[in-house]
Amino acid sequence: EAEVAQSPRYKITEKSQAVAFWCDPISGHATLYWYRQILGQGPELLVQFQDESVVDDSQLPKDRFSAERLKGVDSTLKIQPAELGDSAMYLCASSLDDLRGTEAFFGQGTRLTVV
Amino acid sequence: AQSVAQPEDQVNVAEGNPLTVKCTYSVSGNPYLFWYVQYPNRGLQFLLKYITGDNLVKGSYGFEAEFNKSQTSFHLKKPSALVSDSALYFCAVRDANAGKSTFGDGTTLTVKP
Repeated sequence: EAEVAQSPRYKITEKSQAVAFWCDPISGHATLYWYRQILGQGPELLVQFQDESVVDDSQLPKDRFSAERLKGVDSTLKIQPAELGDSAMYLCASSLDDLRGTEAFFGQGTRLTVV
Repeated sequence: AQSVAQPEDQVNVAEGNPLTVKCTYSVSGNPYLFWYVQYPNRGLQFLLKYITGDNLVKGSYGFEAEFNKSQTSFHLKKPSALVSDSALYFCAVRDANAGKSTFGDGTTLTVKP
């Protein structure tokens, strides 16, 4: 069964350092999402791609966060510099085509701890 | 702005009893509605969705949900709960015409033997 791959699974970093997360979506999925999930809350969308284009990044703190999906396949989310409040689970998901209401498939996430 | 409310943080049921996990939503256009489940140390998994058509939607593991437009609800149900159904359940909504999905804060379901 195809899965969304994320790495690393866990990351501990010091504040002010840079950190990057990688996601490989299910093959053929046009839509890719990055979510942030804080304990006790639901996932919050950070950025959504349709192929290589960003379709929503309204909740992405653009002064420190960046995301790219250069060839419309895998994606990288970067934080620089990391802050204590960035500690959370970062989830990547993909969907065949969000515009048609297809469901999302989630990776296992990267748990980030900023110390 | 769209929103999702899951009014119960915790739902407890006995094995074999019916279960309901509640979800209400607010969206400006027609809704796409989803339920996902999260087991410990695992990613979110899709359960079922309402896009259009029959208001009663059937999904994985015997779960179903009913879209009620007048009450803006999409409650998740199962006729007979299993201990293995114990998990964290999320409802999500998006506007059918555009926009991102918004998730509720989740409901922890505990099924006791």
